Amino acid sequence: DAGVTQSPTHLIKTRGQQVTLRCSPKSGHDTVSWYQQALGQGPQFIFQYYEEEERQRGNFPDRFSGHQFPNYSSELNVNALLLGDSALYLCASSMGATRQYFGPGTRLTVT
Amino acid sequence: AQRVTQPEKLLSVFKGAPVELKCNYSYSGSPELFWYVQYSRQRLQLLLRHISRESIKGFTADLNKGETSFHLKKPFAQEEDSAMYYCALSGAGGTSYGKLTFGQGTILTVHP
Repeated sequence: DAGVTQSPTHLIKTRGQQVTLRCSPKSGHDTVSWYQQALGQGPQFIFQYYEEEERQRGNFPDRFSGHQFPNYSSELNVNALLLGDSALYLCASSMGATRQYFGPGTRLTVT
Repeated sequence: AQRVTQPEKLLSVFKGAPVELKCNYSYSGSPELFWYVQYSRQRLQLLLRHISRESIKGFTADLNKGETSFHLKKPFAQEEDSAMYYCALSGAGGTSYGKLTFGQGTILTVHP
């Protein structure tokens, strides 16, 4: 089991564009959470998906949306990118809301 | 609102010295507290959680509800303990269950 995987590793986008990040959970996990980690900061909770539904959401605008597929993998979409969206985006998977296992992250740079 | 504060951004100790990484939290309810660690070029991983009351790699942490603290301690630091440490909180139930709130992290450097 490769654990939680994320793609792509790095991404460069221009302001105003849209981006999709992908996450495959650890085998046997049914819950996926997304976090944004700005440089020098701790991760900030964006939202959590369970049974293909958004179960919880942090203080992020509607430009941030997500999806969970029947195989439990997940996507994070960000529309109308701003310079401030530049960050490391972390995906974490868990069985229910128990111990979360983190992926390596996707580094997004908005220019 | 839930909040986690790690007052020290950087902490340096010598090998064999005791180390304590501070964590204070704010939460109106029963929290679950965690310590996560990120070694150089590795992903974030769970070090320990308060409900397990375990010792991992010689580290322990006690939840002090009166002082709303969850400090991480190790009596004898090793060079391989050098890493970024994050304290995190989740509600034990209800709407905050499974939503981790992280502190800003403390970079621990253990000198030989």
